[in-house]
This record gives sequence, structure tokens and C-alpha cells, in this order.
Amino acid sequence: DSGVTQTPKHLITATGQRVTLRCSPRSGDLSVYWYQQSLDQGLQFLIQYYNGEERAKGNILERFSAQQFPDLHSELNLSSLELGDSALYFCASSVDMGNSPLHFGNGTRLTVT
Amino acid sequence: QKEVEQDPGPLSVPEGAIVSLNCTYSNSAFQYFMWYRQYSRKGPELLMYTYSSGNKEDGRFTAQVDKSSKYISLFIRDSQPSDSATYLCAMSADGNNRLAFGKGNQVVVIP
Repeated sequence: DSGVTQTPKHLITATGQRVTLRCSPRSGDLSVYWYQQSLDQGLQFLIQYYNGEERAKGNILERFSAQQFPDLHSELNLSSLELGDSALYFCASSVDMGNSPLHFGNGTRLTVT
Repeated sequence: QKEVEQDPGPLSVPEGAIVSLNCTYSNSAFQYFMWYRQYSRKGPELLMYTYSSGNKEDGRFTAQVDKSSKYISLFIRDSQPSDSATYLCAMSADGNNRLAFGKGNQVVVIP
């Protein structure tokens, strides 16, 4: 068990809808990362937060946004959902902004119908 | 062209065989190289971490990095059925955790 908790495990929704994915990092970890895993693109970095502040953005669509709260949990908001957004969304955490090992949660499987 | 190429074809080997996996990359700025293992319905877990070129060994696992060829490898000796998983290579330029991943190789070790 990595200590990173993601909820929900599965989410099924319709096109055009909005969903929120939640992540609790490992105790003591200040950085939270969101990754998307799809069959055609593999694992892609979306966004990183460190101690409540956005640190880096990767291939994150404008329809997606995230935040990290004072208690360090993070939420990824996906809006105006399209069929192509169906994927596994992973949250990961690390102690600092980089170099320390990345610990992944077990992901949220999003299905857009 | 993707930054990191990993032939995603599945690999089946008999128990005890050596498993050989590799990735190529195009970004010469990459200096930090990792291998992650992902079991079905689980998140990736870090297996090996290497900085720059060279070899690193950890038990039955050996990671090799050849920066001149932009090629990294993972070898698993004496493979066990419990090694059956998807193996993903990952790399970064400056040691941050904003990683570029390969698509992964599914490995099946047959008892």
C-alpha cells in the first residue's frame, strides 16, 4: 500500500458532465501530481502542486483544473467531458518538489459514455 | 515522435528465464531514469532509479543506461510468476517528478 488514497475507484458519467476526483497524499508528503493513463497515450503528466501552490503543468486540457487544499489533499476537476477523456487518472505524492520517490495511488477509472 | 518509446508488445517467458526490457528516448536532456512496475488494477510502483549513464543492480533487477545511444534497459534474472506485471520506463531532465513515461511492457512469467 503506497499510502496515497484516491476516490472514487470508478466513475461512469455522460458526455458534457463534470466530475471531481479526490486524492489524499501520503502522510508527510507535500507534493501532489496528477497523471492520466490511456491505452493510446500511456501515462501523461497533467499537473503538480506543492504545499498548496501550483508548480508545473503538463499536458492538461483547459477543461481540466486542479487544486491542493491546506490539509494537502487535492482535487482534479474535469468538465465538459468527452468520450476521449475516458482513462485512468492517477494521483501521486512525494515529500518534496522532486528527486524523492513518487508514490502512486491506485487510480480512478473514468468512463465517459 | 514521442519523447520515450517502449515497444508495448506483451512478453511471455518461462519461470527462471531472464526478462529483458528496453526504452529509447529522443530528449538528450533526460538525466534521471526510472523503471516502474504496475500490477493489474494498481498504481505504478518505483522499481529502479538511475542517474545518468551506468548500471545499477538491486537483487534480481539490473538497470542500464546508455546516454550516448539514448537507450535504457531493465533485466530481471530468475524471473518469478510474481514478476508478472506491466513495466514502464520513465525519465526526467532535472530530477523533478514530472516524468515522461513509455507505454509499458506487459510481462507474463509462466510457472
